[in-house]
Amino acid sequence: GIQVEQSPPDLILQEGANSTLRCNFSDSVNNLQWFHQNPWGQLINLFYIPSGTKQNGRLSATTVATERYSLLYISSSQTTDSGVYFCAVGWDYGQNFVFGPGTRLSVLP
Amino acid sequence: DTAVSQTPKYLVTQMGNDKSIKCEQNLGHDTMYWYKQDSKKFLKIMFSYNNKELIINETVPNRFSPKSPDKAHLNLHINSLELGDSAVYFCASSKRASLLSLAKNIQYFGAGTRLSVL
Repeated sequence: GIQVEQSPPDLILQEGANSTLRCNFSDSVNNLQWFHQNPWGQLINLFYIPSGTKQNGRLSATTVATERYSLLYISSSQTTDSGVYFCAVGWDYGQNFVFGPGTRLSVLP
Repeated sequence: DTAVSQTPKYLVTQMGNDKSIKCEQNLGHDTMYWYKQDSKKFLKIMFSYNNKELIINETVPNRFSPKSPDKAHLNLHINSLELGDSAVYFCASSKRASLLSLAKNIQYFGAGTRLSVL
């Protein structure tokens, strides 16, 4: 099956810093999403981005499907950005998903 | 209005018991999922249903039985609970994308049910 890797596994930032999170996947996919799991456990969809680039406020994401990776950029990080960021990939038009192991982000005040 | 709601939020039970977790979505989605998140935060899909029909059944013990009375509900029943079943279980839903459909298959998650088996 498809393998999904995320790096780095852990990241500690000072408030205001920028960061880049990476997701690599081992096969062609037609669905890729980034999620944020906040400290209370809620999973929030950040981006649906099987290809291309999107921006939403301080967050942006880029997926290069031909090279099988996606990047999530967080600029001017805030303490509320803390949590775990997951990349999830899908195929069969999205009815089967594999999640990466996540990047645990801690933003310090 | 909660889009995907799960009940209960917490479930503490003894080994060997049978328990159910309920999930409902009011988004009009066709596809619903159950995921298990272990203590290391790994998320793994367990089941996927589309219009009440089982689509995906990953290697899950047959003690786990999903039931979809209608496309807005997907309940998870677990028989003979074991210690290793302790985890957070998430329900999710999405539109069904297909070759002919341009619908984005974006998943929306419930708040999770933390199951502790003692």
